Amino acid sequence: EAGVAQSPRYKIIEKRQSVAFWCNPISGHATLYWYQQILGQGPKLLIQFQNNGVVDDSQLPKDRFSAERLKGVDSTLKIQPAKLEDSAVYLCASSFTAANTEAFFGQGTRLTVV
Amino acid sequence: AQTVTQSQPEMSVQEAETVTLSCTYDTSESDYYLFWYKQPPSRQMILVIRQEAYKQQNATENRFSVNFQKAAKSFSLKISDSQLGDAAMYFCAYKRGNQFYFGTGTSLTVIP
Repeated sequence: EAGVAQSPRYKIIEKRQSVAFWCNPISGHATLYWYQQILGQGPKLLIQFQNNGVVDDSQLPKDRFSAERLKGVDSTLKIQPAKLEDSAVYLCASSFTAANTEAFFGQGTRLTVV
Repeated sequence: AQTVTQSQPEMSVQEAETVTLSCTYDTSESDYYLFWYKQPPSRQMILVIRQEAYKQQNATENRFSVNFQKAAKSFSLKISDSQLGDAAMYFCAYKRGNQFYFGTGTSLTVIP
């Protein structure tokens, strides 16, 4: 079974530029999560999708971050414009349902904003 | 909001010895799931073990076991016969429905 795929693995951009991350969840997984993990901290949930609908985006900085999950499969997370404090690893995870099951993670994208 | 606390930023253990990582959480719910995830330098989070809150029996997966104390809201991870490959960040996580929260992690070093 293929795991959660994320790309790119690494990205370096200048502040005020835009960047986009892509995630392909495990086939059949209805729930998709995007997490931000700053160095030395635990993952912080940015947004959660159930199929193509947003379930929770309460911690998403909506003035600069956006995410979509068209057709309820792949998802993209965008930052525009980026700030220095956005430097982090962005993790995508998926689970079969939003119910009490574990989530499976991708390898993440390490973003460095200079 | 639910919170997950890991009070040990760093731990070390001698190879082949046993180590226990601590985790406490805050919730008013009675039905939820708890997880321990391992994150090696490759960054991929790997599920180590899970515990359903309605089960009294502590979960066990080979060398990994938990001590789940529901009343105390405590969920510690015991690693027996530690191996060099166990070195990683370990995250405790709480999940109930749409809520999925992580602790700040414990960095485990295994000394040869």
